[in-house]
Amino acid sequence: AQTVTQSQPEMSVQEAETVTLSCTYDTSESNYYLFWYKQPPSRQMILVIRQEAYKQQNATENRFSVNFQKAAKSFSLKISDSQLGDTAMYFCASRNSGNTPLVFGKGTRLSVIA
Amino acid sequence: NAGVMQNPRHLVRRRGQEARLRCSPMKGHSHVYWYRQLPEEGLKFMVYLQKENIIDESGMPKERFSAEFPKEGPSILRIQQVVRGDSAAYFCASSRDRTYEQYFGPGTRLTVT
Repeated sequence: AQTVTQSQPEMSVQEAETVTLSCTYDTSESNYYLFWYKQPPSRQMILVIRQEAYKQQNATENRFSVNFQKAAKSFSLKISDSQLGDTAMYFCASRNSGNTPLVFGKGTRLSVIA
Repeated sequence: NAGVMQNPRHLVRRRGQEARLRCSPMKGHSHVYWYRQLPEEGLKFMVYLQKENIIDESGMPKERFSAEFPKEGPSILRIQQVVRGDSAAYFCASSRDRTYEQYFGPGTRLTVT
């Protein structure tokens, strides 16, 4: 069975600084996808970034980038130039290939401090 | 292109009543997933449907919960005889095809009093 673990329940960062959120996962599949979702106080789930396991290059979306270490089954999220609007819960998720459901970690609550 | 729609956004039910949660997928999407989020937890998969078919209901409680996605109209998650433990946020997600990412609706927060 797939599992996703986020070991940091809460983190904080100063505005304009960089922060890294950790995620490890476990799957027996060779082809899978990894995601980071953001959930602000509105509770809307917003896709931040995705990574295909077969791609070696780390995904990047503006200020958000990942460090994908396939052998270590690690998928961390780096947020550069943190902004107050980045304050939210961040969930790491994975799913196997095919139209399979997402498996989520328990989340990391990130606070950006002015 | 409107996003995934869910209604109601908030629903209050007394113990023993029925709750009906609706989800309209994005235009062109025929795959619907329901997830439940308990307080301070991540989302947990409940059921996956395509039009008129339940594909995977491995995350659905065996009793009181049912889901459908008819040929016409929204997907419905139905909870009969609600109990306090059913209080949670229920999210629907849709995708276009088996390889595409899932887009989430705003969720329905169910409170059972």
